[in-house]
This record gives sequence, structure tokens and C-alpha cells, in this order.
Amino acid sequence: KAGVTQTPRYLIKTRGQQVTLSCSPISGHRSVSWYQQTPGQGLQFLFEYFSETQRNKGNFPGRFSGRQFSNSRSEMNVSTLELGDSALYLCASSFSGRGKETQYFGPGTRLLVL
Amino acid sequence: QQQVKQSPQSLIVQKGGISIINCAYENTAFDYFPWYQQFPGKGPALLIAIRPDVSEKKEGRFTISFNKSAKQFSLHIMDSQPGDSATYFCAADPNAGGTSYGKLTFGQGTILTVHP
Repeated sequence: KAGVTQTPRYLIKTRGQQVTLSCSPISGHRSVSWYQQTPGQGLQFLFEYFSETQRNKGNFPGRFSGRQFSNSRSEMNVSTLELGDSALYLCASSFSGRGKETQYFGPGTRLLVL
Repeated sequence: QQQVKQSPQSLIVQKGGISIINCAYENTAFDYFPWYQQFPGKGPALLIAIRPDVSEKKEGRFTISFNKSAKQFSLHIMDSQPGDSATYFCAADPNAGGTSYGKLTFGQGTILTVHP
């Protein structure tokens, strides 16, 4: 079974731009969670989607948004990029997102904001 | 209440030694505790996980010890190998439902270096 895939793997943007990251979950997984990983803050939860609905959201500003498609693929968007948005963005998929399930992570998209 | 505190931040062990990483939590709603291993350039990968009704779980060289009353859990890596050099994260997952869907709360991570 193919793992979680994320595209692109690397991105360089400038302040004020916007960016869209893509995540394809493991086949059959309907829950997709997104995390931001930085050296200072570690792994922080952004949001979770299930059946095209956002069910949970972390403490990030509204510039961070996401969506999920009917095939469970998910995208996240960051608008008006700031230098502090430079990070590794990870998505993880699980069957239902209801807890006590393994979340399988993709390799991440490394975003650098200049 | 939502934090998971992990220590040490970094750990250096000789090949064949025992690596021990500790985590503590406050939120009693947490009821699933996975450990993830992350190599540079890769996403975290599940190593081993435990539920609070079990005090210890062992898989190969990796053992989780869980102390529910103290709200602490730890990862022990026996016979540590250079290939174990990676960053290790403990995490906690609250019971399903409400605002907890798909959310893992992670510790800050431990960079493990195993010298040959």
C-alpha cells in the first residue's frame, strides 16, 4: 500500500505571497491532519479533515486554511506569508481520526519564506 | 493541560547502551500514547504505542513503560545502535470525539545520537 505523499517537497516563497500544499492519504484513509514542525515550537497541530469537513482546528491564524476533496486528498493554503511561516509542513492520515489509531505521516513539504 | 513535556532534549549513548527518554503529561483525557521516530528529511514514523491500561509494552529492542498515577511514560531503547540515531517524539491522543479529532499533542523531541 502506498504511503502518504506530499507535494511539493520544497518551496521557496517571499513574504506576502500565498502557497498551496497538497497531501494524498493512504488509500482507504479518510482523515487527514496537518502539522507544522519548527525547531522552536516542535510539531503543532493545524487542522483535521474528514469527509470534506474540517472537524478540528489548532491555534493558528486564519491565514492558514485547508480543504479536503471527495477522494480524501487534502490541500492546505497559507496566505500573506510571513517569515515565521518557514517550517516543515506535515500531513498525516488515519482511517477515521477518532483516536487510538496510528497516524501515518508523509515526508513533509519544507517551506522557506524569504 | 494540553502539554506533553519531554526530556532530555538531546542524548548521546554508546553503541550497545540503553537510551531512555521520558515524557510527562497533565491532561487525564489522554488515553493513547504513541512514540514516533524521525530521520532527517523524513516524516515521523510510528515506533511503538501504549494505552494507559497497560504498564509496559515491548517490541524488539523498544519498550514503553507507563505510570498512570504519575502521568509519566518513557521509551527505553536497549542495545542502542548507530542506526537508531534520530529524533524521537512522544505524543498523546485524547479520547475520540469533541474537539480531539485527528489531533496528536507532541513532546518537544529528543535528538538521540548513538556513537559506534
